[in-house]
Amino acid sequence: QSALTQPASVSGSPGQSITISCTGTTSEVGSYNLVSWYQQHPGKAPKLMIYEGSKRPSGVSNRFSGSKSGNTASLTISGLQAEDEADYYCCSYAGSVVFGGGTKLTVL
Amino acid sequence: QLQLQESGPGLVKPSETLSLTCTVSGGSISSSSHYWGWIRQPPGKGLEWIGSIYYSGSTYYNPSLKSRVTISVDTSKNQFSLKLSSVTAADTAVYYCARQNRYTSSWWDYWGQGTLVTVSS
Repeated sequence: QSALTQPASVSGSPGQSITISCTGTTSEVGSYNLVSWYQQHPGKAPKLMIYEGSKRPSGVSNRFSGSKSGNTASLTISGLQAEDEADYYCCSYAGSVVFGGGTKLTVL
Repeated sequence: QLQLQESGPGLVKPSETLSLTCTVSGGSISSSSHYWGWIRQPPGKGLEWIGSIYYSGSTYYNPSLKSRVTISVDTSKNQFSLKLSSVTAADTAVYYCARQNRYTSSWWDYWGQGTLVTVSS
């Protein structure tokens, strides 16, 4: 099972919005709302930001939102802040757990 | 507050078996709503799921690692463990243990801090 496809990097200025895509197969992304998103700062463990496509865990800022179109899931961060600079990973399940390759977000 | 903590050797020789334990505190590993799993991250690279276990002992593994992986659980100690056999330098990574939602199997809400395991002679 191949990894989900994410862009290697995205960037944005403070206050702007950015979107990170995550593309998979119909069973991995398109058929169900199973995609989750993780934020990882250097040297730290990943942190759950979005689960089941668009749900936010308690304590996660509402600047983070998730959506899906076809076989592509997306994470949108609005009102970009310096602290959002991190690596972001998507994850799904289709008989086996699969992660995306990760996207490095740079806040300019 | 649930906490997970990995423990085990930080250095393993090639061809030997990597062994790690994850201790869960602040909650029970015998939760009917969760699996418990291992995820690794080679230096500078992305996340790779290794496998997961339910408190009953039921397991499922990444097909690419299945032949070398064994995950077990000890509910009396609130721990679960990973064994990865015949390791090579490619198995050098930070190993995380984490709690996984059982119903969709697609999200992980609590993670350990991670432990670096280096495979080298």
